[in-house]
Amino acid sequence: GQQLNQSPQSMFIQEGEDVSMNCTSSSIFNTWLWYKQDPGEGPVLLIALYKAGELTSNGRLTAQFGITRKDSFLNISASIPSDVGIYFCAGQGDFNKFYFGSGTKLNVKP
Amino acid sequence: DVKVTQSSRYLVKRTGEKVFLECVQDMDHENMFWYRQDPGLGLRLIYFSYDVKMKEKGDIPEGYSVSREKKERFSLILESASTNQTSMYLCASSPVGQDDNSPLHFGNGTRLTVT
Repeated sequence: GQQLNQSPQSMFIQEGEDVSMNCTSSSIFNTWLWYKQDPGEGPVLLIALYKAGELTSNGRLTAQFGITRKDSFLNISASIPSDVGIYFCAGQGDFNKFYFGSGTKLNVKP
Repeated sequence: DVKVTQSSRYLVKRTGEKVFLECVQDMDHENMFWYRQDPGLGLRLIYFSYDVKMKEKGDIPEGYSVSREKKERFSLILESASTNQTSMYLCASSPVGQDDNSPLHFGNGTRLTVT
């Protein structure tokens, strides 16, 4: 299946710093989704975006659906140690087809 | 909150065994999915189901089958487990929403080891 291009692959940051990660695709999507996965757990939905240009926040998290519908970014402000984990983007195209990024591994130093 | 429950967190099986992975969701979702997750390969779709007794092959269905006898339950079956099926298995569900824009909700995963 198609994979999305997600970057960066990993990040090492200090507590309190802001974080930004993004996903791009060669295909247009109807929906962009952002998930967080803790070690040994399943992905948990953070933010869902449904319209091109949409900017949505969930606490310290902000995500945007790109105007071209081929990209999305996720920002985390004022990072804390519990933000550690792997963040995945996902794009929903045709009915029931989801495509996933390879993940951004976030490490936060206290 | 949507709850997707996978019956086992960890399983160890022998090569050649028949393995059942069970998944139950409590939100009356029409769509259910099975993925496997491997380092460097990301999430890959094995099978999905959009209704009871309906199933569609995903990207890597070989060596697997599925069963959806009830709306809330979607089972993944490894007919004869092999070591290359050692992986993290993730079940997910989604409702049928407006314009099909309905996010996936995942279970906690089953880490299967085949020896």
